Amino acid sequence: DQQVKQNSPSLSVQEGRISILNCDYTNSMFDYFLWYKKYPAEGPTFLISISSIKDKNEDGRFTVFLNKSAKHLSLHIVPSQPGDSAVYFCAASAGSNTGKLIFGQGTTLQVKP
Amino acid sequence: DTAVSQTPKYLVTQMGNDKSIKCEQNLGHDTMYWYKQDSKKFLKIMFSYNNKELIINETVPNRFSPKSPDKAHLNLHINSLELGDSAVYFCASAAGGNQPQHFGDGTRLSIL
Repeated sequence: DQQVKQNSPSLSVQEGRISILNCDYTNSMFDYFLWYKKYPAEGPTFLISISSIKDKNEDGRFTVFLNKSAKHLSLHIVPSQPGDSAVYFCAASAGSNTGKLIFGQGTTLQVKP
Repeated sequence: DTAVSQTPKYLVTQMGNDKSIKCEQNLGHDTMYWYKQDSKKFLKIMFSYNNKELIINETVPNRFSPKSPDKAHLNLHINSLELGDSAVYFCASAAGGNQPQHFGDGTRLSIL
């Protein structure tokens, strides 16, 4: 039972345009969400996070939106750059102090020059 | 200066063998984790230690045993390796519960 789902395995966008990566979750107890970026042969790197008390968090070119009623979050990258090409994972945790993260299966983003 | 380092990066071995993967972090974090990324690319948590105490133990076969000699190290020992253990294993650390986790570059384990 996959509690965090990224239904698009891949996404291709042109350099300079917006990239939108989506993530859906089923567990209403999740209250903290994160996005990680992963290059081949490297570990995931933390990108941005959002608490369930907010609906938007912005950090430079990256913005995460949270829609709790729809149990949906999205990552917007504007403008997209070729160096953004990577696998993006969303992850969620359910209010514990253990830091137990449930990951989605990832979306491969390709940004074309 | 690597923050979370895992050794070895690649591990190829035969079924039935026992192997260990080491993880060290120099971030001063209290919490460390082991994840398994299977062939379908799902990252699933296996174990977590907070200051040498086990706090997460998911449904993992007891052939897998984590060991934390100090809060900067979390090693993973696997007994009687099976074909299904082939995966990439990631170590991570964090300052605390809901703090972002920092990952190592993974250990690719291949069972022949």
